Formats: sequence, structure tokens, C-alpha cells
Amino acid sequence: GAVVSQHPSRVICKSGTSVKIECRSLDFQATTMFWYRQFPKKSLMLMATSNEGSKATYEQGVEKDKFLINHASLTLSTLTVTSAHPEDSSFYICRGQDLNTEAFFGQGTRLTVV
Amino acid sequence: SQKIEQNSEALNIQEGKTATLTCNYTNYSPAYLQWYRQDPGRGPVFLLLIRENEKEKRKERLKVTFDTTLKQSLFHITASQPADSATYLCALGEDTGFQKLVFGTGTRLLVSP
Repeated sequence: GAVVSQHPSRVICKSGTSVKIECRSLDFQATTMFWYRQFPKKSLMLMATSNEGSKATYEQGVEKDKFLINHASLTLSTLTVTSAHPEDSSFYICRGQDLNTEAFFGQGTRLTVV
Repeated sequence: SQKIEQNSEALNIQEGKTATLTCNYTNYSPAYLQWYRQDPGRGPVFLLLIRENEKEKRKERLKVTFDTTLKQSLFHITASQPADSATYLCALGEDTGFQKLVFGTGTRLLVSP
């Protein structure tokens, strides 16, 4: 069935380095990919929306130069956290959407910046 | 201001009972509402969708109601099992394209044997 495969599930990186998170849609074409950030016991906060082949649309307050999103194909979207700092530590989740009603979330990535 | 409120306190119930979770919203005109299950350290999993013109939806042991007058959705799990223990999120959307979802903070359900 349709799923979104997100990797890595956990990553620890040093402050100042960059981390890339991948989301692949399996058995469906994700025309749109949404990227969320979730803090403990908090709601999912939408960071940006990307459509295949075009630039991502970022929500207010989200730095586009810090969180680089690429949606090069209908099955792959990536989020790169550049020059990561401890305050970027969080749970990042992608959501793939096709033309149906159901949304498919990735498994999430726990990023810890030390 | 716009708000989606779910009970932040965990709901503890005994196995076999019916769990009822609440989602209230303010200053939204949702075209639909969705419920998701989220396990610790995992992404949400879609459970049910209910549209604004629907009062109730069922799927196996799950039932969702949607009252646009009260601006509330109720999510029921009948004959609950310990495996149902998780955080349940409601999300609503005002667009007909099912793109822009706004999530509540979720309610943690604990079902004890």
C-alpha cells in the first residue's frame, strides 16, 4: 500500500553541520509534500509546502535558507537543516499528499544537535 | 484567534470500555475533520475523515461525530484494548483539496488491562 518512507529515523549531529532528511513516497505520487516540526506534547507545526519541480512555500517565521527543501520528483522530497544548532533539535515529519483524501506521513526523524 | 483544542491531560480507561476524545475548534469553518493516531517517536497515521455535511462516520471499532453547530468532533473507540494506547490527533481543513491541515495538540489515551 501507499506509504511515505522517511530516513533517517534518528540523527545526532554536531553544531554547525548540515543534516539531510529524505522522504520517499511508495506506491503513490506525492504531488505535494508537507514538512512539519513537532515539539514534545505540542502540535505539528507546518514549516513548508513543496510541489514537485517548484520552489517550496515556507510558513511565516521559518527561515528558508536554514531549512532547504527540494522536491525534485513526484516520489522524493528532502529537507536539509543547514548549519544546525541545538535549538534545531526536534522531531521532523513529512507528509505526502496525492489527489485523494488520505494523507501519508513519514515515520519522523528525531534530530539532536550537540 | 483560531484554536483547535484537545484535552491535554491523558485519558485513562480500562480495557473493554469506550474511550471518547474531544476536539473543539474556534474561528474555523472546516470543510472536513480528520483523526490520526500517533505512537511515540512515530509519524501520525490516518484513521478517519468526516466531512462538514456528515454527522457520523464509523470504521470497525472507531466512530467519529462532527457537530458544526457546537464546533466539536468526538472520537470514540469501543471495546478499547491496551494496543489502542497512543496519542490521538484531530486535524481540520478549510480547503476542499485536503491540502492544508491544521492539527490539535493531541490527547494521550492509556488503556489498562
